[in-house]
Amino acid sequence: DVKVTQSSRYLVKRTGEKVFLECVQDMDHENMFWYRQDPGLGLRLIYFSYDVKMKEKGDIPEGYSVSREKKERFSLILESASTNQTSMYLCASLRPGSSYEQYFGPGTRLTVT
Amino acid sequence: GESVGLHLPTLSVQEGDNSIINCAYSNSASDYFIWYKQESGKGPQFIIDIRSNMDKRQGQRVTVLLNKTVKHLSLQIAATQPGDSAVYFCAETRGGYNKLIFGAGTRLAVHP
Repeated sequence: DVKVTQSSRYLVKRTGEKVFLECVQDMDHENMFWYRQDPGLGLRLIYFSYDVKMKEKGDIPEGYSVSREKKERFSLILESASTNQTSMYLCASLRPGSSYEQYFGPGTRLTVT
Repeated sequence: GESVGLHLPTLSVQEGDNSIINCAYSNSASDYFIWYKQESGKGPQFIIDIRSNMDKRQGQRVTVLLNKTVKHLSLQIAATQPGDSAVYFCAETRGGYNKLIFGAGTRLAVHP
């Protein structure tokens, strides 16, 4: 089974802090994605990566950056956390060519106070 | 602009009944659609998918119907069980790199 893990289930940070959310997948997938999930808005794509050191902006990249130094790990970085970044963050991975099915991690619920 | 939306935010059904969750999409160029199920405290989980060259696809207790004429997608769950209680998302492909656009989600509540 594909396994996507996220470093924390719950995280509380203060405004202005730098925040790192880590995601690891064990199936050698090329593509990885970061979403945020807010009630009534579904999942919105923040950034994605289609290869090591490659990244592309999604629909809402402002206030975020990403890092992909190794194929299995995709990090989301909040340079200076703000209260409007309080949300559920979901990581996903996919092997292109198989299907469009993305495999999701359990999510990290981030609260910025 | 392009969007994927849902008609009903919450659906309540009796255990054993059939459930139908609807989804409208606006991008007629989308060629692939997926339904995901998200249980409380978990990430979304793949249920079933359908390509735009199909009208219907069946899985175990689930059926997805695609009506391209009216840009409508539905998920039918037969003999709904308490374990089906979750939020259901439809998603469509957009652009390259296997990106998906997700709808807002519908909460399915199954009552005994």
